[in-house]
Amino acid sequence: DAMVIQNPRYQVTQFGKPVTLSCSQTLNHNVMYWYQQKSSQAPKLLFHYYDKDFNNEADTPDNFQSRRPNTSFCFLDIRSPGLGDAAMYLCATRRDGGINQPQHFGDGTRLSIL
Amino acid sequence: GESVGLHLPTLSVQEGDNSIINCAYSNSASDYFIWYKQESGKGPQFIIDIRSNMDKRQGQRVTVLLNKTVKHLSLQIAATQPGDSAVYFCAEINDYKLSFGAGTTVTVRA
Repeated sequence: DAMVIQNPRYQVTQFGKPVTLSCSQTLNHNVMYWYQQKSSQAPKLLFHYYDKDFNNEADTPDNFQSRRPNTSFCFLDIRSPGLGDAAMYLCATRRDGGINQPQHFGDGTRLSIL
Repeated sequence: GESVGLHLPTLSVQEGDNSIINCAYSNSASDYFIWYKQESGKGPQFIIDIRSNMDKRQGQRVTVLLNKTVKHLSLQIAATQPGDSAVYFCAEINDYKLSFGAGTTVTVRA
C-alpha cells in the first residue's frame, strides 16, 4: 500500500539530456519535498512545495526545477543533467498540522547519467 | 557528569543483543526530532519521533532518548533482528524542513 509513489524506480539518461522524475501521493498531504541522496550520504533537500508555494533551497542548482500541477503530483525536472547529478532522488510528503508531523518518503528514483 | 554518546558511522551487533545509535544535533531551538531507517534501495522509513518537551519515548522494540542539555539523541533497539540491518538517520525539524544527521549503518550478525 505505497502512499508516496515514485516513477520510475530507475532512470538512465544521457549527459545533457533533460529528464523528468515523478512523484504521486495518496495521502492528500499539502507539503511535498524533493531530496537528492548520494551514496553513503544523508538526503539533501532541493526544494519543497507548501500547497502551491514553491520554496527553493539556496544551494539548489538552477539546473533543477519542479512542478506541482495538483495536490497529488509533483515533478522534478533536470534540464541538463551532468555526471554529478547521478544520485537517488527522494520525494516526501507531510501533512500540515504544525511542524510536529513526520515526512513520509517514497522509495526514490535512482538516476544514472551516461 | 553526563556523557555524550559518540556517533559511529557503522555498528555491528549480534542478533538478539540491544543496539544503541547516537546522534548529535545542531540547533538548540529544534523542538521535534525523528529517527528514520533506510534499507538498501528504499526510501527512509519513519521509526519514532519525540518532541522537545519529552526526554524519552518508547515504541515497539525501540526507545528514543533526548538530552537537550548536550543536544544529543539516541535510538535503542531491543533484541536486534536481521531485519534491523539498515542505515539509521536522526533528523531535526526546523522551519518545516528536516535536517538529517550523518547516518549509522547497522549490521546484524547471525
